[in-house]
Amino acid sequence: GEDVEQSLFLSVREGDSSVINCTYTDSSSTYLYWYKQEPGAGLQLLTYIFSNMDMKQDQRLTVLLNKKDKHLSLRIADTQTGDSAIYFCAERDPGGYNKLIFGAGTRLAVHP
Amino acid sequence: ETGVTQSPTHLIKTRGQQVTLRCSSQSGHNTVSWYQQALGQGPQFIFQYYREEENGRGNFPPRFSGLQFPNYSSELNVNALELDDSALYLCASSMTSGGARETQYFGPGTRLLVL
Repeated sequence: GEDVEQSLFLSVREGDSSVINCTYTDSSSTYLYWYKQEPGAGLQLLTYIFSNMDMKQDQRLTVLLNKKDKHLSLRIADTQTGDSAIYFCAERDPGGYNKLIFGAGTRLAVHP
Repeated sequence: ETGVTQSPTHLIKTRGQQVTLRCSSQSGHNTVSWYQQALGQGPQFIFQYYREEENGRGNFPPRFSGLQFPNYSSELNVNALELDDSALYLCASSMTSGGARETQYFGPGTRLLVL
């Protein structure tokens, strides 16, 4: 079935690293995404990773992919108060069209 | 800013009414997908339009329908509104070309409240 799972809440101190975890369901998924949603706003694409990669780094963001365990993580280095938001993991449905399957989101709270 | 725009930003309707939401895709994109995000949940796929035709549908009833226009903009129509239709409706645009599918970029959403 379609069930992308994420932990619901993460609290970190400003300047520390944040790690948000996700498990997805379909081992044939080709692309996996991380989106950020601030209060009252739409979804902002942060980064994505193709399934033949283990890691992708983009400035403060590092994505790790473990295909065997169907586990995806997003690490944010030097977390700032502006990083406080909800982070969604999504997998592209490997079916014939470009449908995204989202988790319920992880709320990241950054405190001084 | 993604270049994807949606209107209106907020809307209040009553049960049984009909609503039309609009989306303009990012320049150069030819595919529009619609998602429903209920409070506290992740977005759920409603359907996708490509070349002015529905190109895939999620688990939503037929009273959810859509259109795509020659300029690739799109409408989402919901008939016979129910209280559970209250949600943030998100539009995402992407480029489909020669079988390759590209990343979806989201608009700011339309928040619908059904009373």
